[in-house]
Amino acid sequence: DAKTTQPTSMDCAEGRAANLPCNHSTISGNEYVYWYRQIHSQGPQYIIHGLKNNETNEMASLIITEDRKSSTLILPHATLRDTAVYYCIVRGTTGANNLFFGTGTRLTVIP
Amino acid sequence: EAQVTQNPRYLITVTGKKLTVTCSQNMNHEYMSWYRQDPGLGLRQIYYSMNVEVTDKGDVPEGYKVSRKEKRNFPLILESPSPNQTSLYFCASASWGDTQYFGPGTRLTVL
Repeated sequence: DAKTTQPTSMDCAEGRAANLPCNHSTISGNEYVYWYRQIHSQGPQYIIHGLKNNETNEMASLIITEDRKSSTLILPHATLRDTAVYYCIVRGTTGANNLFFGTGTRLTVIP
Repeated sequence: EAQVTQNPRYLITVTGKKLTVTCSQNMNHEYMSWYRQDPGLGLRQIYYSMNVEVTDKGDVPEGYKVSRKEKRNFPLILESPSPNQTSLYFCASASWGDTQYFGPGTRLTVL
């Protein structure tokens, strides 16, 4: 599975949109981009995933560039409860469900 | 409620005393996995199972055993725990090819 690169940390003002970038320049055609987050020391929580089209759900939006080498997770109106470590993961559709977690981006939402 | 449960949530033990951390899911998922999380290292996979009686090593399997006799349970066994196995452990489950659901974590301290 392709590796990802994310900034170590980011801050966002409460109520503003949080845009979390991820580079995955070696992604291959059948690999999906997944986003999970981990609040404090709780179990990671699935947020969203996509292949090449932009995706939106009740939690977030995922924007994937046309060449698929990078993506951005958008939390439209960040709240204090969104403070967490966000992981961008690239995974293929064949084989096991294994996920490789890097060190992610620590997002701090500031009041 | 669909969930992954782990027991115990907290455990302090001594070197060499065998222990088992249980993991159970009620979603009829085929795939289950164990991770450990250490400061600065992110989540690393210990073992995974793609179905009953099918288990495989992850990235850091040394010192651990698992079994998958029933679909819903995937216990993690430490036959002779050592202090370097002090960590935060997470169990996860998923349907084939689908997103993973994580348990609440087990914080283990080996003295």
